[in-house]
Amino acid sequence: TQLLEQSPQFLSIQEGENLTVYCNSSSVFSSLQWYRQEPGEGPVLLVTVVTGGEVKKLKRLTFQFGDARKDSSLHITAAQPGDTGLYLCAGIRGSNYKLTFGKGTLLTVNP
Amino acid sequence: GAVVSQHPSRVICKSGTSVKIECRSLDFQATTMFWYRQFPKQSLMLMATSNEGSKATYEQGVEKDKFLINHASLTLSTLTVTSAHPEDSSFYICSALQDWGETQYFGPGTRLLVL
Repeated sequence: TQLLEQSPQFLSIQEGENLTVYCNSSSVFSSLQWYRQEPGEGPVLLVTVVTGGEVKKLKRLTFQFGDARKDSSLHITAAQPGDTGLYLCAGIRGSNYKLTFGKGTLLTVNP
Repeated sequence: GAVVSQHPSRVICKSGTSVKIECRSLDFQATTMFWYRQFPKQSLMLMATSNEGSKATYEQGVEKDKFLINHASLTLSTLTVTSAHPEDSSFYICSALQDWGETQYFGPGTRLLVL
């Protein structure tokens, strides 16, 4: 059983479209992080959310943490080809700081 | 700040040989580092938690005698894949946990190909 369900797994859209990636769990997380990874490279941290109901914006990216701290979403407005990559959500539950990763969303933005 | 390096970035070896991968935190101390494995177009799978000065903690299903971890200093952890086989070919990524926070900073990964 996947602790963090991430959807969709694959997404191919046209430049200029909006999209939302979801990360859901039945467990409560003390914090949740979103990463972006390009082929052959390590994940790069985009944002960390820690408070239930929190909303953070990073240019065209909007991140939300659910009120119960069990789910999160990433919304991209007016996607660009440079947004193409693997988006990963990951949560921390205990005090050992181990990250539990979702399966990832492979996003392709076509020009 | 908060840069993590890995060496080598890419390695090809023959079946049966051992390969050592280094993970360094360049500008911060990291008592705890993590080793992950990633297959193409898949997510990261945690292999083990590396603790400075003590034994590593391995995730279920990961052979500790095959994947040797040494965390000898506050800025360096090494992963040695012993007697490598083609099925060990993968992308290995480390992360370092800042001693004063919750954020893990990831290395650029090491691509291992076992022939």
